[in-house]
Amino acid sequence: GAVVSQHPSRVICKSGTSVKIECRSLDFQATTMFWYRQFPKQSLMLMATSNEGSKATYEQGVEKDKFLINHASLTLSTLTVTSAHPEDSSFYICSAREGADSQFFGPGTRLTVL
Amino acid sequence: EDKVVQSPLSLVVHEGDTVTLNCSYEVTNFRSLLWYKQEKKAPTFLFMLTSSGIEKKSGRLSSILDKKELFSILNITATQTGDSAIYLCAVEAWADKLIFGTGTRLQVFP
Repeated sequence: GAVVSQHPSRVICKSGTSVKIECRSLDFQATTMFWYRQFPKQSLMLMATSNEGSKATYEQGVEKDKFLINHASLTLSTLTVTSAHPEDSSFYICSAREGADSQFFGPGTRLTVL
Repeated sequence: EDKVVQSPLSLVVHEGDTVTLNCSYEVTNFRSLLWYKQEKKAPTFLFMLTSSGIEKKSGRLSSILDKKELFSILNITATQTGDSAIYLCAVEAWADKLIFGTGTRLQVFP
């Protein structure tokens, strides 16, 4: 089956630093990738949708200058949390889709900002 | 290798039918199993299961976990067209790792 990986799986950083999270589709070409935040025992919140080679579409309330998304290739999308603060601490999950097929989810990245 | 397998992949029923969705898993250091419903944008949380044999219920939806046989089922009784969605099962493992199944696409016709 299709596999999506995320790196790192866990990151701890100081307030004010930037953190980059990678999302890779390992055995298929992802025309669309999605980035979510998840809070404990809660639904996933869609942050943005990115299509390869074009700018990401951000959901209402998500700061595009703070959460930089780059989908430079059909197998890689990155999310950079710039000037991270403690309230950005969360579990970030990406998913990838090839064409109109099902979404495949990555294992998530736990970000802790001190 | 950790994996979560859902079945069936797709299901088409008529309103009023009862459906059972399956989720089996092989995961190191199991912590919990979660069910989500995805309609348009983001998956919405339905249930979190940690203990075997204890049914969780919310309206017409219910779910139970069997940690010995490593599976969970999600039941929906008296289905309605609004139940049409993709139902995702995910297992939370150690180090905050969340492994999703591929989902079951449910279509309910009037």
